[in-house]
This record gives sequence, structure tokens and C-alpha cells, in this order.
Amino acid sequence: DVKVTQSSRYLVKRTGEKVFLECVQDMDHENMFWYRQDPGLGLRLIYFSYDVKMKEKGDIPEGYSVSREKKERFSLILESASTNQTSMYLCASSGPGQGDYEQYFGPGTRLTVT
Amino acid sequence: RKEVEQDPGPFNVPEGATVAFNCTYSNSASQSFFWYRQDCRKEPKLLMSVYSSGNEDGRFTAQLNRASQYISLLIRDSKLSDSATYLCVVDQTNAGKSTFGDGTTLTVKP
Repeated sequence: DVKVTQSSRYLVKRTGEKVFLECVQDMDHENMFWYRQDPGLGLRLIYFSYDVKMKEKGDIPEGYSVSREKKERFSLILESASTNQTSMYLCASSGPGQGDYEQYFGPGTRLTVT
Repeated sequence: RKEVEQDPGPFNVPEGATVAFNCTYSNSASQSFFWYRQDCRKEPKLLMSVYSSGNEDGRFTAQLNRASQYISLLIRDSKLSDSATYLCVVDQTNAGKSTFGDGTTLTVKP
């Protein structure tokens, strides 16, 4: 079974803090993604990566950065957290050979910025 | 206009009912289509891919209409366990970058 894990289920940070969200997958997937999910706005893509050290902006990259130093790990960084970044953050991975590029999601991190 | 649009519902149906969800997409270059299911406070999981010829998996049938740019999901003989949010997903690049609809919430009642 594919497993995608995220470092925290719940996180509370203060405005201005630097926040790291970690995601690890164990299926040797090339593709990894970070989304945020908000009521009424659905899942929105923040950043994605097709390979180690590669990154591409998604639909809402402002205020975020990412790092992919190893194939299995994709980190989302909030350089200076703000209250409008309070959200559910979901990491996903996918790869060739999985048929139709099914995305496998982690359990999510609910981040609250106060 | 959103790239992928779904009727948010909620759909409230009795057990045994047949229910259908539609989803429209704006990019005619879209290549792959999926339905995901998301239970309350859980992560999304793939329910089924959607093929041009239509496909069926038990009580679930997915259809694609490229000319009209919409996909549909039909659930027959609804079960209580079908209660969830159903997400329409469209992939433009065939390389895994997908756009998710906001989801349609289904509640099946006894």
C-alpha cells in the first residue's frame, strides 16, 4: 500500500513564525504536491514537483516555498506565517506506472495561525 | 469562471436511491478525468477514473462527454456508507497536475 505521511496532524503557530510542513511518501513516486483546502474553495494547488530539486508553482504559491532534496520528501515552508494561511494542508504523490496518475494523499495538517 | 465546476449540493437522498452528479470543465485540452471521494475529516481517495467510453464499477458509473466538456457520476442503490463529498478532478497535462472541483456533498439517509 502506498503511504504518504505528514509530520503533524495539528499545528498552531504565531503570526510571523517560519513554518515547516513535511511530507514523506514510500512508493518512489516522481510527482509530489502540496494543496490547501478551505471551505467553499476546495483544494487549491500551492506547489508541485516532478523530480528531486525541481519545483513548479501551482495556483496559489504566494507566501509559500518548497524544498525537494530527496525523492521521497517534499517540504512546504511558510516563510512568515499569516492568519490567512490558517487552513488544512494536504500533501499528495503520484507516479508513472500507476495507471492514470492516481494521487495518493496524506492525512493532512490542520494549521492554525494566531 | 472556475476551471472545474460542480454543483455543491448538498444532495440528501434515501437509501436505495439513484443519484447523479455532474461536473463541467473549461479546458478543452484536458486529458484525464477522475472522481475522488472524501469522507468527513479525511483525505481524498480515488473512487474511479473516467474513460471516454464510460466505465462502471459496481454501483458506480462514470461518463465523459468531451464535446460538452462534462463528466458525470451515477450512484445506484445508494448506501449509508456512500455519504461523503465527491470531487471531480481534471488533469490537463497527463503528468499528474490536476485541478479539483469544490466537491458535491452527498448524504444518504435511512
